[in-house]
Amino acid sequence: KQEVTQIPAALSVPEGENLVLNCSFTDSAIYNLQWFRQDPGKGLTSLLLIQSSQREQTSGRLNASLDKSSGRSTLYIAASQPGDSATYLCAVVSAGNMLTFGGGTRLMVKP
Amino acid sequence: DGGITQSPKYLFRKEGQNVTLSCEQNLNHDAMYWYRQDPGQGLRLIYYSQIVNDFQKGDIAEGYSVSREKKESFPLTVTSAQKNPTAFYLCASSMGKQVLNSPLHFGNGTRLTVT
Repeated sequence: KQEVTQIPAALSVPEGENLVLNCSFTDSAIYNLQWFRQDPGKGLTSLLLIQSSQREQTSGRLNASLDKSSGRSTLYIAASQPGDSATYLCAVVSAGNMLTFGGGTRLMVKP
Repeated sequence: DGGITQSPKYLFRKEGQNVTLSCEQNLNHDAMYWYRQDPGQGLRLIYYSQIVNDFQKGDIAEGYSVSREKKESFPLTVTSAQKNPTAFYLCASSMGKQVLNSPLHFGNGTRLTVT
């Protein structure tokens, strides 16, 4: 059964810092990996989707990489801003066509 | 504006009562999903539907029921059989019948509290 882990569970950084969020999964046979953002009390917003054949995807200050063989993905946020404060979740689609979510990393960017 | 609407935002019920959470989408998406989120945990799949009049159980379907009579609507009923119903419930949809290539779009959730 696929398991997805995100470390750290919480992260606090000063504004302007570049940061990396980590996501690992136990079964490397995935179809794609998605990164989401969740603001308190809200639903999830899709940030980036990486197909299994891709190595990375970029959107603005966000860059997500995927290393299927090692079961890892990272979300890189450049020049962090207070508005980036949220919980970031990764999820993988694997056998059975289902999405398995990690527990999320709660990010706080301090002004 | 296209999107997913969940209502109500907050819901309070007494133990032993059934309660139905609404989810409506105007994105013309084929597939719809219900997830449950508990504090500090990832989302867990309750039910999903890839086509009208058809749905499948997810990982934690016990104590829940759904219907998909219309493409745009996928209501979730939390029954009295659900042992620990207090949680944040999220509805999602995707364009294709499968999540292989389609990002999920989420509603803003319903926070259910059962006392």
